[in-house]
Amino acid sequence: ELKVEQNPLFLSMQEGKNYTIYCNYSTTSDRLYWYRQDPGKSLESLFVLLSNGAVKQEGRLMASLDTKARLSTLHITAAVHDLSATYFCAVDKGQGPGAQKLVFGQGTRLTINP
Amino acid sequence: ETGVTQTPRHLVMGMTNKKSLKCEQHLGHNAMYWYKQSAKKPLELMFVYSLEERVENNSVPSRFSPECPNSSHLFLHLHTLQPEDSALYLCASSQQWAAGDEQFFGPGTRLTVL
Repeated sequence: ELKVEQNPLFLSMQEGKNYTIYCNYSTTSDRLYWYRQDPGKSLESLFVLLSNGAVKQEGRLMASLDTKARLSTLHITAAVHDLSATYFCAVDKGQGPGAQKLVFGQGTRLTINP
Repeated sequence: ETGVTQTPRHLVMGMTNKKSLKCEQHLGHNAMYWYKQSAKKPLELMFVYSLEERVENNSVPSRFSPECPNSSHLFLHLHTLQPEDSALYLCASSQQWAAGDEQFFGPGTRLTVL
């Protein structure tokens, strides 16, 4: 059974600092997704990573995937308050190209203080 | 309306009631999903519909009954629910039911079962 674990689950940091959220998963997959959820809101897609070594960047966020280590990271550079949210990773356990079955991590609640 | 919409946004029901949740996507997508987000568990995939055909039932109890009358609409019919079914129910859609396709989420229905 595929398990997806994020750490830390809670992160409080100051504006301007850098930090990394980790997403480990237990079985082979080369498809991983990052989402953001603001309180009371829905999930917003941030990144789709589809191969080993994939790296994507958007503003102050950068995501990478190491399928051999079964690890993805979400790196935050020079954090700003607007990035406060809960971040989820999700791994696709579907077999073959015609299937997508996402298993989500527990989420990392990020609070950025002025 | 744009994106993925869900109604109602909030629902309170007794254990003997029957109610339905509605999801509509305005993106021209062919795959739709129901997820459950409860306080103490990661987001869980419940059902997947591809081209109006159910392709995944993730061991969901029969008191939850999905319906997909066309590619734009998805329902979740509820009957004889339990208090532990209280959660946020999220609908999502993607272009195809395929690896790597980005899922777009609706705002969710907050369900409380008394």
